[in-house]
Amino acid sequence: DVKVTQSSRYLVKRTGEKVFLECVQDMDHENMFWYRQDPGLGLRLIYFSYDVKMKEKGDIPEGYSVSREKKERFSLILESASTNQTSMYLCASSPGLAGGSSSYNEQFFGPGTRLTVL
Amino acid sequence: GQQVMQIPQYQHVQEGEDFTTYCNSSTTLSNIQWYKQRPGGHPVFLIQLVKSGEVKKQKRLTFQFGEAKKNSSLHITATQTTDVGTYFCAGWSSGTYKYIFGTGTRLKVLA
Repeated sequence: DVKVTQSSRYLVKRTGEKVFLECVQDMDHENMFWYRQDPGLGLRLIYFSYDVKMKEKGDIPEGYSVSREKKERFSLILESASTNQTSMYLCASSPGLAGGSSSYNEQFFGPGTRLTVL
Repeated sequence: GQQVMQIPQYQHVQEGEDFTTYCNSSTTLSNIQWYKQRPGGHPVFLIQLVKSGEVKKQKRLTFQFGEAKKNSSLHITATQTTDVGTYFCAGWSSGTYKYIFGTGTRLKVLA
């Protein structure tokens, strides 16, 4: 079974703190994604990566950065957390290269991290 | 900006009733994928449609991809309490090279 794990299920941070969310997948997938999920807005893509050290901005990258030093690990960084970044953060992975026929591969999601910024 | 909207946002049905959620994109999509997220869980892939006008069935679930590849629907016949959750569509926009999720439809089934 594909397994995508995230470092924390729940996290509480203070405004201005630097926050790291870690995601690890064990299926040797090329693509990894970070989404945030908010009621009524669905899942919005923050960043994705199709290879080690490669990253692409999604729809809402402002206030976030990412790091992919190893194929299995994709980190989301909030440089200075703000209250409007309180949300559920979901990591996902999929095989193949982003774009073209490989974009048709299903995504496998981690359990999510519910982040509260006070 | 580019959007994929789903209607309705919420739906409550009695067990045994049918349910349909509609997915509408502002741009043409290369494919449509459907995911189900149980309460407290994460999205899980259900199915993918690629061809214009394609229809696929999974037991009580029927999925359609529109002729113009800008809309899709998921229909559940005779809902059961196990169908509870949020259903998302998602697709790859060939124009903008982005993968986009819909806003989701939350289904509640009353026993």
